[in-house]
Amino acid sequence: KQEVTQIPAALSVPEGENLVLNCSFTDSAIYNLQWFRQDPGKGLTSLLLIQSSQREQTSGRLNASLDKSSGRSTLYIAASQPGDSATYLCARLQGGSEKLVFGKGTKLTVNP
Amino acid sequence: GAGVSQSPRYKVAKRGQDVALRCDPISGHVSLFWYQQALGQGPEFLTYFQNEAQLDKSGLPSDRFFAERPEGSVSTLKIQRTQQEDSAVYLCASSLGRGRRTEAFFGQGTRLTVV
Repeated sequence: KQEVTQIPAALSVPEGENLVLNCSFTDSAIYNLQWFRQDPGKGLTSLLLIQSSQREQTSGRLNASLDKSSGRSTLYIAASQPGDSATYLCARLQGGSEKLVFGKGTKLTVNP
Repeated sequence: GAGVSQSPRYKVAKRGQDVALRCDPISGHVSLFWYQQALGQGPEFLTYFQNEAQLDKSGLPSDRFFAERPEGSVSTLKIQRTQQEDSAVYLCASSLGRGRRTEAFFGQGTRLTVV
């Protein structure tokens, strides 16, 4: 079974801190890796999509990297703000199909 | 519409009742997906459509679950004889579907509570 693991499960940081969220996966035959944000009681908001031919993507204060050889992706958040508080999920396309396989997420709390 | 729209947002069903959940994808999106998200977990794949064709239903947990997309646009997920373990958030997503390099966009979800 192709697994996606996210560490840590929860993270609490003071406002202004830079932080890294980790995502690891067992199958290196990866097409896309996508990072999402989920606010309580809400759906998923797509943050960044890294295609298999890419190594990283950036959007504002967010930077996501992909290392297929080690089976890892990281989401870097610069200068964190209380509004960044949410659960962050990574997901990869399962080999040979169109479906996304998700990790359980990292719950981030940024304290003012 | 501008995004993926799901209705209802919340549904409370008595055990044994049938429910129907609706998903209206982004206009022009070929691929449509249904996921189930239990509390504190990541979403789990249920089924996938390309236009009106259901190409993968391997994630449907039982034959009580049925999905359709008859005209290749709006999709309905139906759950018959609901049970308490069906309580979850049901998420719909759509994508352009041109190969495996396209971004998936999710709706707000339908929170189903079976009592």
